[in-house]
Amino acid sequence: GAVVSQHPSWVICKSGTSVKIECRSLDFQATTMFWYRQFPKQSLMLMATSNEGSKATYEQGVEKDKFLINHASLTLSTLTVTSAHPEDSSFYICSAPGQLNQPQHFGDGTRLSIL
Amino acid sequence: AQTVTQSQPEMSVQEAETVTLSCTYDTSESDYYLFWYKQPPSRQMILVIRQEAYKQQNATENRFSVNFQKAAKSFSLKISDSQLGDAAMYFCAYRSANFNKFYFGSGTKLNVKP
Repeated sequence: GAVVSQHPSWVICKSGTSVKIECRSLDFQATTMFWYRQFPKQSLMLMATSNEGSKATYEQGVEKDKFLINHASLTLSTLTVTSAHPEDSSFYICSAPGQLNQPQHFGDGTRLSIL
Repeated sequence: AQTVTQSQPEMSVQEAETVTLSCTYDTSESDYYLFWYKQPPSRQMILVIRQEAYKQQNATENRFSVNFQKAAKSFSLKISDSQLGDAAMYFCAYRSANFNKFYFGSGTKLNVKP
C-alpha cells in the first residue's frame, strides 16, 4: 500500500483562490519531504525541501511567497499555492525519503487546474 | 550540482523485444545511488530498479537490468521481453549518499508496439 498519501488528487478552482495540498507519511516519520512540479511531458522539477520544525528550502527561481510550505509535524507537509493563476496549473508531487539506499516514497500527485 | 542526462526523448520497441534506455550523470561524489523510475499515464512514480554506486555488480529485477559504468558515469536500463504495460515515461535519478535530494533526468517516453 501507499506509504505517502497526497491529496487532493485533482483540484479545479478559480483564479485568485489559494489551494492547499497535503502530503502525509503513513506509518513512518519524515523530517524531510520534497515538493515537485511537473509540466506535461517534462521531468519532475524540485521546488522545495520541506523541513519539519524549520523553514523550507526553496530551489532557485521558486517564489517563496507564492508557494508556502509548512511542515508542522513529522508526518505532514503542506504546500499552499497562494492566489493561484492559470500559469500555476500543473501537476504537483510530494515525496518523502526512505533510508539512504532506499528510494523516495512518492505521493500520487495533485493535478491543479486554475481557470 | 549533479546533473542527469537522458538523451533519448522517445523510443519504440516491439513487444517481446529488448530495448535499452540511456542515462548519464555528472558528479564529483564517489558514493551515491542511482534509480530508474517509471511513470505511466496515471503519473504515479514507480520504482523500477536501483543501484548503489559502491556495488560493481549490475542490479537486476526480473526483466529489468542495468549496465552501470561508474568510470563513464553511465547508467542504462535494459528491458527484456518488452510488454505493452511497459509503455510509460522512464526517468533516471541520482541521489547523493549524504543528502536526500534526488536529481531527475528529462525522461524517455517508451512506446511498445504490439
